[in-house]
Amino acid sequence: EPEVTQTPSHQVTQMGQEVILRCVPISNHLYFYWYRQILGQKVEFLVSFYNNEISEKSEIFDDQFSVERPDGSNFTLKIRSTKLEDSAMYFCASSEKVSAGGQETQYFGPGTRLLVL
Amino acid sequence: AQKITQTQPGMFVQEKEAVTLDCTYDTSDQSYGLFWYKQPSSGEMIFLIYQGSYDEQNATEGRYSLNFQKARKSANLVISASQLGDSAMYFCAANTGGFKTIFGAGTRLFVKA
Repeated sequence: EPEVTQTPSHQVTQMGQEVILRCVPISNHLYFYWYRQILGQKVEFLVSFYNNEISEKSEIFDDQFSVERPDGSNFTLKIRSTKLEDSAMYFCASSEKVSAGGQETQYFGPGTRLLVL
Repeated sequence: AQKITQTQPGMFVQEKEAVTLDCTYDTSDQSYGLFWYKQPSSGEMIFLIYQGSYDEQNATEGRYSLNFQKARKSANLVISASQLGDSAMYFCAANTGGFKTIFGAGTRLFVKA
């Protein structure tokens, strides 16, 4: 069964460093997403991406964050200068399409656990 | 604004028994999708079941069923014949159209042998 994959599974970085989290969405999916889950808290939407541009972003997704689809399979989240509060699990998700009625399922990858020291 | 409420931070169930995890949602949209995801201790988010707002029948997927009561805006997850492997965090989520799925705070389920 096709699945979303993410690398690395764990990343430890120093505050102020740049990190790139990588995702390979399901191959026939056109919509890609990043979500964040701070330890013990709920899952929060960061950004969605379609047709090589951001389609929606949350207030969390500030200028420190960027997303890119560098080739036909990868989808990346870059955090330019990490802060302690960026420590979280980052989930990539994808969906085949987007429904105006909200009926399209988003499939999540296994997550990257980011720890900023 | 959308909001998902899961009022049970933790639940215990005996192995082989059924358990219901509560979820209420708040939206003024007429068309929306409701989802349940399972998050084991390893951290991944596993899609379990989906219910559309216009679906007249409750969704079922194997041992999972969704008790959808539209007038009460509730979408409870029922797990029948609980197994030890069902011990995990369970998230109710909703999408009212577009890109963003909103999640509840989750319920941690413990299955006792």
